[in-house]
Amino acid sequence: DTAVSQTPKYLVTQMGNDKSIKCEQNLGHDTMYWYKQDSKKFLKIMFSYNNKELIINETVPNRFSPKSPDKAHLNLHINSLELGDSAVYFCASSQDEKLGIETQYFGPGTRLLVL
Amino acid sequence: AQSVTQLGSHVSVSEGALVLLRCNYSSSVPPYLFWYVQYPNQGLQLLLKYTSAATLVKGINGFEAEFKKSETSFHLTKPSAHMSDAAEYFCAVRRRGSARQLTFGSGTQLTVLP
Repeated sequence: DTAVSQTPKYLVTQMGNDKSIKCEQNLGHDTMYWYKQDSKKFLKIMFSYNNKELIINETVPNRFSPKSPDKAHLNLHINSLELGDSAVYFCASSQDEKLGIETQYFGPGTRLLVL
Repeated sequence: AQSVTQLGSHVSVSEGALVLLRCNYSSSVPPYLFWYVQYPNQGLQLLLKYTSAATLVKGINGFEAEFKKSETSFHLTKPSAHMSDAAEYFCAVRRRGSARQLTFGSGTQLTVLP
C-alpha cells in the first residue's frame, strides 16, 4: 500500500543512453513533482505537474522530459545521459489546496549512476 | 526569491540530550516553512510545517519548531535525542501564493552518540 512508488530503485547505465524512471501515487493527489538530490544531498525541484499540466519547469536541460499519462503517474525520461546526471531522483505528490497547505509526500528515490 | 540556510551541516548530540537544528529563511513576506527528515536510503518524510497562526509547531517523533519572524528563523528542537533520530534533516521554504515549489536547505546530518 505504498503511497508514492518509484521504479527502478537503482539504475546504473552508460553515458549516452536514454532511460526512464517511473512514479506512481495512489493517494488521489492532483499534483506530482520531480526533485533531484545531488551527491552533497542538495535537493532541487525539477518539474511539477498539476492535473496533467506542467506548472513548474525549472532550468533543467531539455534532455529531461516529464511525461504524465494520467494524474496518478509522472514519469521522467532522460535522453543522452551524462556523468553529471548521476544523482538521486525523488518523486513527490500533494493534494489540491482548497482547504489549506498540503504536505508533499515523497517516494523512496531512484539512485541513478551514469558511468 | 526565497531561500533557506541551515547552519551546521553536521550536528552530534548524546542520547538524551537536547537536539537543536538551525534554519533561517530569507523572504520578502513570511513564507510557509517545513522540516523534513530523510533516513538512509529513504525518501523524505514531513516532520512538521508552519503555515499560519500558531508560531510553535509540534510535529511527529517529539519534534517541534518555533517560527520567529523577528529572527527569520524556524529552528527544530527535540528535548531528548534518541538513537533512532539519527538522520538527515532538511528545512524547506515555500512562497505564499499559488506556486507549490519547495526550496530546500542544504541539510543537517544529525548523529546521536550513545
